[in-house]
Amino acid sequence: GAGVSQSPSNKVTEKGKDVELRCDPISGHTALYWYRQSLGQGLEFLIYFQGNSAPDKSGLPSDRFSAERTGGSVSTLTIQRTQQEDSAVYLCASSLVRGGALILAYEQYFGPGTRLTVT
Amino acid sequence: DAKTTQPTSMDCAEGRAANLPCNHSTISGNEYVYWYRQIHSQGPQYIIHGLKNNETNEMASLIITEDRKSSTLILPHATLRDTAVYYCIVPIFNQFYFGTGTSLTVIP
Repeated sequence: GAGVSQSPSNKVTEKGKDVELRCDPISGHTALYWYRQSLGQGLEFLIYFQGNSAPDKSGLPSDRFSAERTGGSVSTLTIQRTQQEDSAVYLCASSLVRGGALILAYEQYFGPGTRLTVT
Repeated sequence: DAKTTQPTSMDCAEGRAANLPCNHSTISGNEYVYWYRQIHSQGPQYIIHGLKNNETNEMASLIITEDRKSSTLILPHATLRDTAVYYCIVPIFNQFYFGTGTSLTVIP
């Protein structure tokens, strides 16, 4: 079946402009994650959506970053007033959440990422 | 912060087993251990996960010690395509901290 898709694959923007990055998760996956990966670095968790629960925004680096998930499916990550340090690959992942009340298992499936370059 | 520690890098000869260790001494009883890998310029790929029993799938085996404080990912017959960064993760409140992982290089 179709995997996680992200658009655009590449985005070049000028410092100070706003950008929107889109993620289409695997159909039926209730959990959705956003990460970013700077050059040569590990993945940095940004935000997590699970079903209709309030998102876990604890990883967002500043109030310039926000994300929405409409209808429990597609998600948009918005970066306002972009800065050069925002340049990175932004990765989206989705997963099922299963198991009992106390034991949850997550296998995340990642999209190809959006490479953002702020000039 | 990650709950796991891994060696920074490892080498393995092609065709031999690659054994990647991970320490997670503060793991709780209901927390899973997950392994992912990331091949250069691609998104991470799920490999395997386990709670307390050893697990095997078509990609790898996961050996978890009886006290659950460490685990080993085994690639039984490493190929050049297995060269990647391997991440051992114990999620914290639904957050996956990927850390810097182990960079595995499979040598011809």
